[in-house]
Amino acid sequence: DVKVTQSSRYLVKRTGEKVFLECVQDMDHENMFWYRQDPGLGLRLIYFSYDVKMKEKGDIPEGYSVSREKKERFSLILESASTNQTSMYLCASIGGAEQYFGPGTRLTVT
Amino acid sequence: GQQVMQIPQYQHVQEGEDFTTYCNSSTTLSNIQWYKQRPGGHPVFLIQLVKSGEVKKQKRLTFQFGEAKKNSSLHITATQTTDVGTYFCAGRKGFGAGSYQLTFGKGTKLSVIP
Repeated sequence: DVKVTQSSRYLVKRTGEKVFLECVQDMDHENMFWYRQDPGLGLRLIYFSYDVKMKEKGDIPEGYSVSREKKERFSLILESASTNQTSMYLCASIGGAEQYFGPGTRLTVT
Repeated sequence: GQQVMQIPQYQHVQEGEDFTTYCNSSTTLSNIQWYKQRPGGHPVFLIQLVKSGEVKKQKRLTFQFGEAKKNSSLHITATQTTDVGTYFCAGRKGFGAGSYQLTFGKGTKLSVIP
């Protein structure tokens, strides 16, 4: 059974803090993704990675960066958190056709 | 950039009624996928459609991919309370390695009144 895990289910950070969201998949998938989900806006792609150390910007990369040092791990970094980055963050990896999503991290920036 | 529009945004139905959600892309797609997200959960893959005009069924769910490969629909017959959730379509534009990026519609949130 494919498993995508995320480091935290809930996170509260202060404005200006550097925030790390971690995602790990156990199926040796090459492609991994970070989305944010907001009410009425659906899922929006922030960044994706198709190989170790490779990354591509998605639709809304501003204010975010990513790191993929190992195949199983894809990290999302908020360099200086702002209140408009309060959201649900979903990580996914792809195997065959389907994307497997992690449980999500609900981040609140105060 | 590629856009995927999905309607309606919300749908409330009486249990036993049918439900349909529609997806339209601004560009031709290589394939389209459908996901279901239960309240408090994460999106879960339902199906992928690849061929022009393709129709696939999963029990009470019927998925269609348009002839021009720019639109798709999901139809649920005789809804049940277990169908509650948000249904997303997601379109893929390219083929082959490096083209795994999906563009998601905004989703249709289905409520079923028992």
